[in-house]
Amino acid sequence: GNSVTQMEGPVTLSEEAFLTINCTYTATGYPSLFWYVQYPGEGLQLLLKATKADDKGSNKGFEATYRKETTSFHLEKGSVQVSDSAVYFCAGGGGNKLTFGTGTQLKVEL
Amino acid sequence: DGGITQSPKYLFRKEGQNVTLSCEQNLNHDAMYWYRQDPGQGLRLIYYSQIVNDFQKGDIAEGYSVSREKKESFPLTVTSAQKNPTAFYLCASSISSGQDFSGANVLTFGAGSRLTVL
Repeated sequence: GNSVTQMEGPVTLSEEAFLTINCTYTATGYPSLFWYVQYPGEGLQLLLKATKADDKGSNKGFEATYRKETTSFHLEKGSVQVSDSAVYFCAGGGGNKLTFGTGTQLKVEL
Repeated sequence: DGGITQSPKYLFRKEGQNVTLSCEQNLNHDAMYWYRQDPGQGLRLIYYSQIVNDFQKGDIAEGYSVSREKKESFPLTVTSAQKNPTAFYLCASSISSGQDFSGANVLTFGAGSRLTVL
């Protein structure tokens, strides 16, 4: 079956630091890939997505590129802010076959 | 504004009691889902429904039940048979639940309901 593996947290960064959260997937075929973000006490919100190899998803300064050769979809941001503190989930698949990673907590400090 | 409303936000239950979590959407989405979230774990699918009056078990359906009598509503009942019900429950919806991997089926989530068994 499909699986998604992402780096464990928490990740603690200073404001304006560079962020990378690794995500790799195992799947039959080439699933769509997503990053969702969860702020404290809330549900998940779609951050970005990519539907095929070499696609780059981007939103709010975050970006991730669908790498078929390394089966990866790493999340990056050049300069994080305190307001980016949240839990980030990588997911792959679609509809009722969406598989989530375990989530990575990001803490950004002044 | 369109969205998904879950209620209650917090719920306490005594052992042996059934409880029902509400989920309502006004997005005109066909598919709806229930996930369970536990600390340090990803989301796990409990049940999903592709159309009214039809629903399917997900990966961890034991001890749960659902109904889909209206397109807008997909309530989840946590029964006394669920051995470890304390968790954060998330409802979601999408345009469809197709498995074509087209990426069209982006999930929209509610704010969640936190259930605690006393």
